Amino acid sequence: DQQVKQNSPSLSVQEGRISILNCDYTNSMFDYFLWYKKYPAEGPTFLISISSIKDKNEDGRFTVFLNKSAKHLSLHIVPSQPGDSAVYFCAARPLNAGKSTFGDGTTLTVKP
Amino acid sequence: DVKVTQSSRYLVKRTGEKVFLECVQDMDHENMFWYRQDPGLGLRLIYFSYDVKMKEKGDIPEGYSVSREKKERFSLILESASTNQTSMYLCASSGQFSNQPQHFGDGTRLSIL
Repeated sequence: DQQVKQNSPSLSVQEGRISILNCDYTNSMFDYFLWYKKYPAEGPTFLISISSIKDKNEDGRFTVFLNKSAKHLSLHIVPSQPGDSAVYFCAARPLNAGKSTFGDGTTLTVKP
Repeated sequence: DVKVTQSSRYLVKRTGEKVFLECVQDMDHENMFWYRQDPGLGLRLIYFSYDVKMKEKGDIPEGYSVSREKKERFSLILESASTNQTSMYLCASSGQFSNQPQHFGDGTRLSIL
């Protein structure tokens, strides 16, 4: 039973356009959601997060939206840049839990 | 900046060998984690530790054990390496509060021949 799903293995967008990466979860106990970015030959790095008490969190070009009723979150990157090309992982954890459950990742390619 | 250091970037071992992967963090984090990453399977948790000498099984603990004798160091042990343990292994650490993200090392690419 995969509790965090990223249904699109890959996404390709043109530089300057919006990238939208999606993530669905099944566990209603998840309370905190995070996005990580991973370049080849490097470990994942934290990008942005959102608590379940919010529906939006913004940090520069990155915005995460949370729809609790649909158990869905999305990461918007505007405008997309070639340097954003990486694998993006969605992760979720319950309140007061130290460990997160990760999705399988979406490979984003931003074309110049 | 948090630094998570994994002892080897690349490692080649033989079937049946006992393999040690070491991880050190410099931010006094309570939580430490070991994952493996395989194509199409994302990050799968092997073991994690929330304190010295404390450990909990993750999703795929079979064939692995861990050791945390000091707060900054978390070791992953392959008791008898097998070819299906060829993978990228990632170590991570985080603070004790649930709103703190994990910080990852750069990974160890382990090949079992």
